[in-house]
Order: sequence, then C-alpha cells, then structure tokens
Amino acid sequence: GQQLNQSPQSMFIQEGEDVSMNCTSSSIFNTWLWYKQDPGEGPVLLIALYKAGELTSNGRLTAQFGITRKDSFLNISASIPSDVGIYFCAGISGGSNYKLTFGKGTLLTVNP
Amino acid sequence: DVKVTQSSRYLVKRTGEKVFLECVQDMDHENMFWYRQDPGLGLRLIYFSYDVKMKEKGDIPEGYSVSREKKERFSLILESASTNQTSMYLCASSVVNQPQHFGDGTRLSIL
Repeated sequence: GQQLNQSPQSMFIQEGEDVSMNCTSSSIFNTWLWYKQDPGEGPVLLIALYKAGELTSNGRLTAQFGITRKDSFLNISASIPSDVGIYFCAGISGGSNYKLTFGKGTLLTVNP
Repeated sequence: DVKVTQSSRYLVKRTGEKVFLECVQDMDHENMFWYRQDPGLGLRLIYFSYDVKMKEKGDIPEGYSVSREKKERFSLILESASTNQTSMYLCASSVVNQPQHFGDGTRLSIL
C-alpha cells in the first residue's frame, strides 16, 4: 500500500530557531495536508495544499506541495514553546475521495 | 469551524465488555472515520462511512464494528473488548476530497 516517509522522527531545538520537516512518497498525491497534535488532543489541521508547486503560509508556518506531487515540506520559523507537539503529514490520492495516508509524525521539542 | 465531538475523553472498561464510542459532527459532512493511534504505529484506519447506513472496512477492522444511523453520528463498537484494544481512538469527518477534521480523542483502557 501507499506509505509516507516523514522525517525527522524527532527534533530538539532552542526557542527562536527555524524548523524544517518533510514527507516523501513513492506514489503521487493530489492533496497534501499538515496536522499538529498536542499531547492528549486530536490532530488539528494546519495547512492544506491542493496544487503541485503550491506554497502556502499560515502565520509562522510555510508548507509546499512538491512539483513531482510525491513530497511536501513544512517549515516553522522563529519557534516558540507552544510549537511543541507531533506534526503529521497526510496525503489524499486521486483514486480515493476519502482515505488519508499518514506519515508517522515528527515530535518537536522546543527548549525555552 | 468544524466541530467533531467524541463522547468521552477517558474510558476504562473490562475485558469482554461491549464498548461504545460515540462521535458527532456538526457540519453535515458525508464522510466519517474512526482511527486508533498507538506509539510507533501512527494513525490506523479502523472503519469509515461515506453516507448514512454505509460503511467500509479500513486497515484494521477486526474486533470492531460501526453504526451510522444519522448523518451527524458515527459510533464505534468493540463487541468484546480485549486488552490489545487499549489505545487512543480518534474520530474524524470530512466532505469529499477535503481534509479530515478530528475530534479530541478517547483514551480507552481495557483492564
């Protein structure tokens, strides 16, 4: 089946640093999504990307839909302690109108 | 904003019990989903429904069933709970080809 390879698995950074994480796949996706999950909570949608090459920002977050449609990255600029959590990428393929394929997540720790 | 509400945040049940997890969404979404989330395994799809009374198996349906009698409500049923079903359960909803929106999750412990 389809798989998303998300890296890194975890990151430990200092407050104020920029962060970058990415997802790659051997399959093409029509939509890329980035979610954040705080401890004990459900995932919350951060950014949705619908077009190859699309670059979208949401505050300090920027995400891009790779031109090959097989990858995406998420950048967080000037990290703050509340950025702590697990970040998931997810993709929707053309053959499915509903099913998400998830990455395993990136655990981000921000030291004040 | 989309609101997906799961009936319980924490639940403790005993082995062999029949367990019901309830999920309600308020945005008239066609699609609803149940996942379980375990450390190191990520989110795994148990069942989903694309319309009232319609359901399809996800990747790990064994030991579970679902019910969707009304569009806004999707129930996950553990027919006879076992300890290996201790997990975080997440409900989500969406419209066709749009991102899924998740509830806050139910942390279920089976003793």
